[in-house]
Amino acid sequence: IAGITQAPTSQILAAGRRMTLRCTQDMRHNAMYWYRQDLGLGLRLIHYSNTAGTTGKGEVPDGYSVSRANTDDFPLTLASAVPSQTSVYFCASSPSGSGADTQYFGPGTRLTVL
Amino acid sequence: GQNIDQPTEMTATEGAIVQINCTYQTSGFNGLFWYQQHAGEAPTFLSYNVLDGLEEKGRFSSFLSRSKGYSYLLLKELQMKDSASYLCAVRDNDYKLSFGAGTTVTVRA
Repeated sequence: IAGITQAPTSQILAAGRRMTLRCTQDMRHNAMYWYRQDLGLGLRLIHYSNTAGTTGKGEVPDGYSVSRANTDDFPLTLASAVPSQTSVYFCASSPSGSGADTQYFGPGTRLTVL
Repeated sequence: GQNIDQPTEMTATEGAIVQINCTYQTSGFNGLFWYQQHAGEAPTFLSYNVLDGLEEKGRFSSFLSRSKGYSYLLLKELQMKDSASYLCAVRDNDYKLSFGAGTTVTVRA
């Protein structure tokens, strides 16, 4: 069982380019999340999806978009990357997002925008 | 919104006890989580509190007081492998998590 996988592991990107970060889970979890982690700021929620076919905005959604066509995949797209989007991006999932359900995190993608 | 505060850094000796405090001010509350994150790795779940009181899990315990907006994570019998960042996170009524900036714990021999 792989759990949650993210790709790529790391990427250097020129400003203005389009980039999609991939996230796949094999635990049949309903809820999925994208966070960015920056030094001194902790994890901040970008977008989330409580179930396939639905998405919602988190704390810092500007410049990012997501889709949830099926249960397993939750890609995050940067339409036109800017240097302030340099960060470590974590995808997470949870069975339902309620009760004692915890979130399980992928290994992260380290993105540098130059 | 959520405002979650925890100390930036703590240092302790191997075998000792360390208590990491977390205070929060929230627009809604539906549970408090503690995660551990080693450098360069993903956060992993440690504990969950939704009712007041102490939850014990081996060497780690977590306490919650909802009326005070306060939690702590207690790490006992510290080991070198416990050197990591510890993240306090509050879940709101929409089941979304808000994280504190994390507390980096350094365990010294």
